Amino acid sequence: AQSVTQPDIHITVSEGASLELRCNYSYGATPYLFWYVQSPGQGLQLLLKYFSGDTLVQGIKGFEAEFKRSQSSFNLRKPSVHWSDAAEYFCAVGPGGYTGGGNKLTFGTGTQLKVEL
Amino acid sequence: GAVVSQHPSRVICKSGTSVKIECRSLDFQATTMFWYRQFPKKSLMLMATSNEGSKATYEQGVEKDKFLINHASLTLSTLTVTSAHPEDSSFYICSARKPGPRSYEQYFGPGTRLTVT
Repeated sequence: AQSVTQPDIHITVSEGASLELRCNYSYGATPYLFWYVQSPGQGLQLLLKYFSGDTLVQGIKGFEAEFKRSQSSFNLRKPSVHWSDAAEYFCAVGPGGYTGGGNKLTFGTGTQLKVEL
Repeated sequence: GAVVSQHPSRVICKSGTSVKIECRSLDFQATTMFWYRQFPKKSLMLMATSNEGSKATYEQGVEKDKFLINHASLTLSTLTVTSAHPEDSSFYICSARKPGPRSYEQYFGPGTRLTVT
């Protein structure tokens, strides 16, 4: 069974500082990996995804993530955080390849990011 | 684009009544839609996978007679919470996947806040 661990429940950074949100996954084969962001009372917006190829993926809003197979990690980074980045961030894993009508995602428990001005 | 809408965004109902939540893919056809439930400060819990024209597949522990899912068209799936109780109060989010063997992303709706009094 696939699982995702986000070890940091809350993170607080100063505006302009760099950010790294951790994500570790457990999956028997090559996974598809995603990072989503959720503002209060809103749905989820896709920040970036990894399917294959270059292990460093670029996303929207200046975010990037690096897939490290040896560490089973897919950490999200941003070099300079903006106050508007304050939100809940979710890492998710799905089965690599086509699985018929499934492709179910498993989400981590989320990391709440607070940005201090 | 890939826009998913939900209606209503917020609903309050009395205990014992039923409430229907709609999930629509506005600019693409979605052969598969997913329904999630999110508790406060918690991750998303997949409730069921809905395939157009067939019965939904429910996750373990989700009562199919209580949470009725209908996916009658390629752009609309509905979740009906029957005989709602206060413990059904939650944030319900749907997502939709584009058809095709290489379509892995899920596009999320903005969510529906259900409060049962």
